Amino acid sequence: QVQLQESGPRLVKPSETLSLTCTVSGGSISSYYWSWIRQPPGKGLEWIGYIYYNGNTKSNPSLKSRVTISVDTSKNQFSLKLTSVTAADTAFYYCAAGGVRFHYWGQGTLVTVSS
Amino acid sequence: DIQMTQSPSSLSASVGDRVTITCQASQDISNYLNWYQQRPGKAPKLLIYDAFNLETGVPSRFSGRGSGTHFSFTISSLQPEDIATYYCQQYDDVPFYTFGQGTKLEI
Repeated sequence: QVQLQESGPRLVKPSETLSLTCTVSGGSISSYYWSWIRQPPGKGLEWIGYIYYNGNTKSNPSLKSRVTISVDTSKNQFSLKLTSVTAADTAFYYCAAGGVRFHYWGQGTLVTVSS
Repeated sequence: DIQMTQSPSSLSASVGDRVTITCQASQDISNYLNWYQQRPGKAPKLLIYDAFNLETGVPSRFSGRGSGTHFSFTISSLQPEDIATYYCQQYDDVPFYTFGQGTKLEI
């Protein structure tokens, strides 16, 4: 069974860049599309974007050009960078397997934007 | 962008009850709809994909139906472990996938 684990800083300062990595185990990174999804505490889910192992990406237009998603097939990892963060970007960030439906999820990591 | 409206926003039911949640899309999304369960403090879990297909390993008491703009999700006999928030998600509008606001189910 595919397992995912998010890692990265839990606290980011306003205007700086949020960076997270998702490590995939139990399966090949070439097997799925890989997505990032976030959830502000106590609120609903928001799809951020996805990447395929060949580097093809799509992201949520609502996040405009702040999102970069990349993949490292040698490490079975994919990553998220979100620039110019504000308090509104405080959320649980999940990585997930799938491009249109999300079969497997990481446990999620709470990233807080605060000075 | 496509708006997904779930109802009710919260629901209280008893063990053994039949429970139904609805999800309405602001425009036709064919059958491009998935349902997720999120238990407290946990990541969401895919239960139903493409409106009515049961994900592998998901109990058969869960089911989904609908197409176009109106969809429903049913638990045929509620169990204590079904306490969770349930979300619908559309993927017709690429790349602007959206989730419903969630239905919190309590016993």
